[in-house]
Amino acid sequence: AQKVTQAQTEISVVEKEDVTLDCVYETRDTTYYLFWYKQPPSGELVFLIRRNSFDEQNEISGRYSWNFQKSTSSFNFTITASQVVDSAVYFCALSALGGYNKLIFGAGTRLAVHP
Amino acid sequence: DTGVSQDPRHKITKRGQNVTFRCDPISEHNRLYWYRQTLGQGPEFLTYFQNEAQLEKSRLLSDRFSAERPKGSFSTLEIQRTEQGDSAMYLCASSLLVAGGLTGEQFFGPGTRLTVL
Repeated sequence: AQKVTQAQTEISVVEKEDVTLDCVYETRDTTYYLFWYKQPPSGELVFLIRRNSFDEQNEISGRYSWNFQKSTSSFNFTITASQVVDSAVYFCALSALGGYNKLIFGAGTRLAVHP
Repeated sequence: DTGVSQDPRHKITKRGQNVTFRCDPISEHNRLYWYRQTLGQGPEFLTYFQNEAQLEKSRLLSDRFSAERPKGSFSTLEIQRTEQGDSAMYLCASSLLVAGGLTGEQFFGPGTRLTVL
């Protein structure tokens, strides 16, 4: 079975704080992708990043960084120096070759960044 | 073509009525997915097309639900005899097949919010 767990339901921080969103996944497939999507109040899902299962290099994009660790089946997302515009629901998702690449989403983490 | 579009954006209907939603994917994308998102939850997979072929249907998709993708372009999702439990956001996404059978990232439309009274 494939499953994505985002244990943090809601996180509240003050602007400029760093925040890490946790994601743990389960799959028996050896070939898969992991994703993060952002869903702002407007509702549209915005793609942030895709990592494949063969590439465990961490990635940094501006204030965003991702830590992929196969040993712990985790794909955590860190926002550095958070801003109010980062307030949204963030979803981690898994897509496996054996599952026709459909996305299996976690329940999401609601991030509130206060001024 | 700037992205995935869905129509209508909002639909209010009475229980027992039929509704149909449309999704227009990014033009060169050969894969199209439907998801359903209820309040406070992540999107859940409903069904998937590669070109015009419907290759997988979730157990969430009861007999009252049907989806089509004629000619491999736009897709429609119809719900017959709607129930209050069908109230949700219905999301469409499209992607492009890449090497090795894995798909590229899925781009989502704005969704159709269905309210069944």
